Amino acid sequence: AQSVTQLGSHVSVSEGALVLLRCNYSSSVPPYLFWYVQYPNQGLQLLLKYTSAATLVKGINGFEAEFKKSETSFHLTKPSAHMSDAAEYFCAVRKNSGGYQKVTFGIGTKLQVIP
Amino acid sequence: GAGVSQSPSNKVTEKGKDVELRCDPISGHTALYWYRQSLGQGLEFLIYFQGNSAPDKSGLPSDRFSAERTGGSVSTLTIQRTQQEDSAVYLCASSFGQGALEQYFGPGTRLTVT
Repeated sequence: AQSVTQLGSHVSVSEGALVLLRCNYSSSVPPYLFWYVQYPNQGLQLLLKYTSAATLVKGINGFEAEFKKSETSFHLTKPSAHMSDAAEYFCAVRKNSGGYQKVTFGIGTKLQVIP
Repeated sequence: GAGVSQSPSNKVTEKGKDVELRCDPISGHTALYWYRQSLGQGLEFLIYFQGNSAPDKSGLPSDRFSAERTGGSVSTLTIQRTQQEDSAVYLCASSFGQGALEQYFGPGTRLTVT
């Protein structure tokens, strides 16, 4: 079964500090991996995606993620947290299942940014 | 339209009543997904429509849940005889074809069953 595991349902960082949100995946084949962000009372918005073109993926709002096959990880980072980064972040993996492109999401990590 | 829209934004219903949730996908998007977001549970896949193909209903939690998509556009998720455990945010997403990587999400419908 294909899945993602997000370590830490809540993460707090100080404004200006490094943001690190962890995601590990399990997949028998090279996956497509995604990070989505959800601001309060809104739907999810794509931050970035990995499609095997490059292991370091840059997304919107200064976020980036690195695909590490040896560690089966796709952690999300941002060098300096901003108050506007406070949101919930979801890691997701997609595979072809029975002819359908099925996306499985992690449980999410709520990021709190402390002034 | 500019994005995926969902209605109503909030719905409060009594246990045992039926509810219908609506999703208007982005024009031209052939793929449409429904998810349920419960506190601490992440996003739970419910159902997936792709063009005129038979939908993938593998995520529907019980036979009280059903969904249809008319004319390859608007979709309605129906929950019959609602239970308190159905309380959640129901999210709809669409994408441009089965191969498209990005899903565009609507703002969701918050369902509260009292």
